[in-house]
Amino acid sequence: NAGVMQNPRHLVRRRGQEARLRCSPMKGHSHVYWYRQLPEEGLKFMVYLQKENIIDESGMPKERFSAEFPKEGPSILRIQQVVRGDSAAYFCASGGQEYEKLFFGSGTQLSVL
Amino acid sequence: EDQVTQSPEALRLQEGESSSLNCSYTVSGLRGLFWYRQDPGKGPEFLFTLYSAGEEKEKERLKATLTKKESFLHITAPKPEDSATYLCGGKGSNYKLTFGKGTLLTVNP
Repeated sequence: NAGVMQNPRHLVRRRGQEARLRCSPMKGHSHVYWYRQLPEEGLKFMVYLQKENIIDESGMPKERFSAEFPKEGPSILRIQQVVRGDSAAYFCASGGQEYEKLFFGSGTQLSVL
Repeated sequence: EDQVTQSPEALRLQEGESSSLNCSYTVSGLRGLFWYRQDPGKGPEFLFTLYSAGEEKEKERLKATLTKKESFLHITAPKPEDSATYLCGGKGSNYKLTFGKGTLLTVNP
C-alpha cells in the first residue's frame, strides 16, 4: 500500500509564474490536508478537503492560492503569479476518517527565483 | 482560534539523559492530540494519538501523556537516532489539525 505521494519533489519557478503541486492520498483515504512549512517553523494549516469539497480553507491566502480534490485524480494546490515569499515546503497529508491520524507525504520544496 | 504551543524550542541531551517535551493546547472540542516526528527534508512521521485526559501511550523509549491542558512526550534514555523535530498537533471539532512549532531534539553520543 503506497503512502501519500507528492510531486514534484522540488519545483523552481520565476516570479509571476504558476506553481502546481500534486498530492495522491493513500488508497482508500478521502480526506486531504495541505500544510506549508518555513525553516524553523511548524506546519501551518492551509486547507482541508474531501472528495470534490473544500471543508476548511481558513489558512489559505485569499488571493493567488487555490486547491481542489476532484472525484478522480490527485489533489492539486495551485499558486498563481508566485512571489519570493511563496518559497517554502508544502506538505500534503491524508486520512481515512475525520478523527483518525494523518499520513504525510515527503513534501514539495518550492523555490521562487 | 485553536492554539498549540510547544516548549522548549530546542533541547540538547546526552545519550541516556531522560527528559520531557511539553505541548500546551487550547483546542475547541478536542478530537485528538497527535505527536509526530520529523527528520530534516522529510515529511512528519506519526507517533501517537491521545483522545482523553489521563490517557498514556508508549513506543520504545517514548511515552506520551495527556491532561486537559497539556501533553507531554517523555523520552527515556534517548539515543542519537532519537534526534529529530517533534511536532504536537490538536484536532478540534472542525477536524482541522493545528500544530505547534515543534521541539528540535539533539541527542549527543
